Amino acid sequence: EIVLTQSPGTLSVSPGERATLSCRASQSVTSVYLAWYQQKRGQPPRLLIYSAATRATGIPDRFSGTGSGTDFTLTISRLEPEDFAVYYCQLYGVAPWTFGQGTKVEIK
Amino acid sequence: QVQLQQSGAEVKEPGASMRVSCRTSGYNFGDYYIHWVRQAPGQGLEWMGWINPTTDAHPNTAATDYAQNFQDRVSMSTDTSITTFYLDLSRLQFDDTAVYFCARGSRISKIWPTDPFDVWGQGTMVTVSS
Repeated sequence: EIVLTQSPGTLSVSPGERATLSCRASQSVTSVYLAWYQQKRGQPPRLLIYSAATRATGIPDRFSGTGSGTDFTLTISRLEPEDFAVYYCQLYGVAPWTFGQGTKVEIK
Repeated sequence: QVQLQQSGAEVKEPGASMRVSCRTSGYNFGDYYIHWVRQAPGQGLEWMGWINPTTDAHPNTAATDYAQNFQDRVSMSTDTSITTFYLDLSRLQFDDTAVYFCARGSRISKIWPTDPFDVWGQGTMVTVSS
């Protein structure tokens, strides 16, 4: 089973600044099957990025995904107030469908 | 618009069984896989499995795939007449206390689901307590 490890656990950032979130896989994965979700308190997750780098419908272009092999990154170029949330990476299309443990982006 | 509407919160005793429902609307019920994911309080997301609402497209493909952690006590099913999916979990323990989500995956035209989850239900809180 592939394990996804996200870092850091918590990221303190000021509005308008850049946030860089990491997701590392325990073995090489096809980037076609790597997604990122945003979850706010009391809400279900929202799909942001799939295939490692493709924004989902309606996702602003300040969100971008990169990476391949074992290392993937979600970048939020200029944090807006609504971006403070928990972010999860996910390996999909291959059982078991694994999530990372999450990175919380909080206001500095 | 596409919606997944889940049943309300429940409290169960240890050893009991639970059922969560997920009613779909805004798209053709039989066209997409549905996944179930749970989230314990303050914790991350845990995938439980998927269900293909119809095997008409690929008669020899599996209708469900369950995560190994739940293999012996989970069941996923459908009621096509009311466009609803069900998650059943038996022999509940305290650590089954969680929010349970349904989420839409790939079109069933794919033999195997290979897409992330684009639409989610609002979640159902299940508390296991004596």
